[in-house]
Order: sequence, then structure tokens, then C-alpha cells
Amino acid sequence: EIVLTQSPGTLSLSPGERATLSCRASQSVSSSYLAWYQQKPGQAPRLLIYGASSRATGIPDRFSGSGSGTDFTLTISRLEPEDFAVYYCQQYGSSPETFGQGTKVEIK
Amino acid sequence: EVQLVQSGAEVKKPGESLKISCKGSGYSFTSYWIGWVRQMPGKGLEWMGIIYPGDSDTRYSPSFQGQVTISADKSISTAYLQWSSLKASDTAMYYCATLQGYYYGSGSYLGYFDYWGQGTLVTVSS
Repeated sequence: EIVLTQSPGTLSLSPGERATLSCRASQSVSSSYLAWYQQKPGQAPRLLIYGASSRATGIPDRFSGSGSGTDFTLTISRLEPEDFAVYYCQQYGSSPETFGQGTKVEIK
Repeated sequence: EVQLVQSGAEVKKPGESLKISCKGSGYSFTSYWIGWVRQMPGKGLEWMGIIYPGDSDTRYSPSFQGQVTISADKSISTAYLQWSSLKASDTAMYYCATLQGYYYGSGSYLGYFDYWGQGTLVTVSS
């Protein structure tokens, strides 16, 4: 089973700042089959990125994903008030599919 | 518009059985895999299992194999998650979601979740 470790656990930033979230896999994720989700309190998760770098439908271009192998990054170029949330990565390159433990982006 | 509408919150006692549902609309229900994800209170997301409503092919995470049953009724575009004997540790929010992905190796389907239901809160307490 691939273990995904997200860092940092919490990121305290101000609106307008750049957010960089990391997702590290315990072994290589084949074909960059990695997705990112955003979850706000009381809401279901929302797909942001799939295939490590492809934005899902309707996702603003301030969200971008990169990486391959064991190291992946989600970048939010300029934080908007609605971006403060918890972010999860998920690998689907091998079974069982697994999620990271999440990174909370909070207002500083 | 793709929609997944889940059944309402449940409060049950340990040892009771439960079946929660997820009704799909706005797309071809039998053509897309659906999965279930658990979120325990204050915790992260856990991949439970998936089903292909077209032929009810099912795959479970080893952590959930034997603990839950995933099924689907394609005649009413509904997927289910059920327990035969609930435990307090089953208390969680459960989400269904459609899967987009690919077939791998011997026919396993792997993917990411694109459309999500609103969640069903299950509380198990004596």
C-alpha cells in the first residue's frame, strides 16, 4: 500500500499569498496518477486536480499541480478568502487507492 | 448535470444493521464506477470500495473487506453501502462519488473521484 504524507499539517497564510502544499509517496506513483481535493467545513470534498497537473472542470487557474514519482505539489498562486480549507491528495496508481492525511490552509 | 443524492442521517445502536443509499442522476448510471469514502469525526478521507453498477463488479479496500457490503440497483440508479452489525467505530460521515479512471492489469479499475454526494452521517451509540 502506498502511504501519502502531506506537509505541512497546517499552513497559516494571508489572502493574496502563495500556498505550496506537498504530498510525498512512500513509493513511486505510476503515471502520475495523483489527484488533489479541497474540503471546506461541512461540505463534501471537491476535485481540484487529477493526473498530477490537470485542473478539473471549473477550477480556477490559480490552482496548479505538479510533480511525478514520489513528490507532488499543489500550488495556489494567490489565496482568495474561499481557498481556506483542507486539502487532500490521493493516489490511484495502484490498489488500494490511498489518501494523504490532509493539509489545512488557515487564515493568518 | 451530474448529481449524487445520499440518504439522510442515521442514528443506530451497536449490533444493528444499516443500509445507506446514493442515487445518481444526470448521467448514464450503469457506465460509471461509484465509490464510497469514510470520514471519521475530525479525521481525513478513507477509500472504502467501488462498484460498477452495470454488472455489480465490486472491489474493496483491504481495510474494509468483510466489514461492509457495497451493492447497486441499476433499475433505480442507486448504490448502497451496508453493515450487518454496526460498531461505535463506524460513526462517521460517508460519501459516495463517481470514479474516473482506467483499467489496470487483470481488469481492476482505478481512478479519482470527480462528482460527490452530500454525505450521510452515521452515528452508532448505545
